[in-house]
Amino acid sequence: VQLVESGGGLVQPGKSLKLSCSASGFTFSSYGMHWIRQAPGKGLDWVAYISSSSGTVYADAVKGRFTISRDNAKNTLYLQLNSLKSEDTAIYYCAEMGYWGQGVMVTVSS
Amino acid sequence: DVVLTQTPVSLSVTLGDQASISCRSSQSLEYSDGYTYLEWYLQKPGQSPQLLIYEVSNRFSGVPDRFIGSGSGTDFTLKISRVEPEDLGVYYCFQATHDPFTFGSGTKLEIK
Repeated sequence: VQLVESGGGLVQPGKSLKLSCSASGFTFSSYGMHWIRQAPGKGLDWVAYISSSSGTVYADAVKGRFTISRDNAKNTLYLQLNSLKSEDTAIYYCAEMGYWGQGVMVTVSS
Repeated sequence: DVVLTQTPVSLSVTLGDQASISCRSSQSLEYSDGYTYLEWYLQKPGQSPQLLIYEVSNRFSGVPDRFIGSGSGTDFTLKISRVEPEDLGVYYCFQATHDPFTFGSGTKLEIK
């Protein structure tokens, strides 16, 4: 099983970014997937979940700004981040919970 | 939202001794299907988190039987018997019963 995140970087407040997570080694379409973040030096912060049937759940702090989605044909999970704030600065992990990616850094700063 | 309160915040343990971490929930974590979606994770220094325990007491693949999860309702415990050097890191409980899902604030395990 391998999960590889991409798409992170430095972005100004109020701007947007789209993260991707490429999955391999398991039947991606059969599993619910999460995005979890970790601000520098802080604990884990659950962000969003998408079920195998594409039902979604969001943390209050990101609801209305972030969108989780999946493309089962491409074995890829996405997180669209809009209206970014400085407090969104973190390492973003995709996870099936038994398996985690290495994370991708998102820095929101002017 | 469900709040998970982990205690202690940090723990210093002698190699070979037992460590115990508590996770208390602000609401019962038993779902309507009868399952309790309470998990434990370990984040070792510089690494991504790893799943140790799911559904309160089930060890994930490859997790040593030194890790024992227990509890029900709102009160859960992770016990680590015979602590080894590779057990150091931060332990988190996580609930996926109630929307939105939430993590505890973490317990840092140090080796004396």
